[in-house]
Amino acid sequence: EDKVVQSPLSLVVHEGDTVTLNCSYEVTNFRSLLWYKQEKKAPTFLFMLTSSGIEKKSGRLSSILDKKELFSILNITATQTGDSAIYLCAGNYGGSQGNLIFGKGTKLSVKP
Amino acid sequence: DSGVTQTPKHLITATGQRVTLRCSPRSGDLSVYWYQQSLDQGLQFLIQYYNGEERAKGNILERFSAQQFPDLHSELNLSSLELGDSALYFCASSAHYRDQPQHFGDGTRLSIL
Repeated sequence: EDKVVQSPLSLVVHEGDTVTLNCSYEVTNFRSLLWYKQEKKAPTFLFMLTSSGIEKKSGRLSSILDKKELFSILNITATQTGDSAIYLCAGNYGGSQGNLIFGKGTKLSVKP
Repeated sequence: DSGVTQTPKHLITATGQRVTLRCSPRSGDLSVYWYQQSLDQGLQFLIQYYNGEERAKGNILERFSAQQFPDLHSELNLSSLELGDSALYFCASSAHYRDQPQHFGDGTRLSIL
């Protein structure tokens, strides 16, 4: 059965800390791994990773995929209170468009 | 703003009723996806439409159905509603070429009383 597992489920840090969120996957016909940030409403797209070992970066956020070990990490450096959210990881499986299997998310709380 | 529009934002109804949720994809996107998000199950894929045709089905109940119209907007119909159907229902859309991310609307919160 296809599955995506995220850890930890929740995390509390202080502003300025660096955090690493983990995502492991077992997805048939795997195409890509996506990270989303969900605050109060819609999940907003962060990264799509298709190639192993190539880091994607956007400001203080970065992510990398390991297709051999079937996992990805999302790093956030110099965290801010605005980073507080649920971070969702999803595996994209098969098809011309692909559909997403989501993990349960990591709830990140950044304290001032 | 993702460009995906969902209406209504909130819906409160009773068991046994039927509701219709509406989604307008981002301009130019041909694919529309529906997801259900509940506290215990997380985000679950329901169904995908591509340019008016059903493309893939996930964990969608037989009481639920969807369609995509020629103008590419989509509707999700939920019937014979049960208390357990209370959830956030998201629509997402993506571009028609390969390996493009899905972009989500703000969702419709459905509460069954």
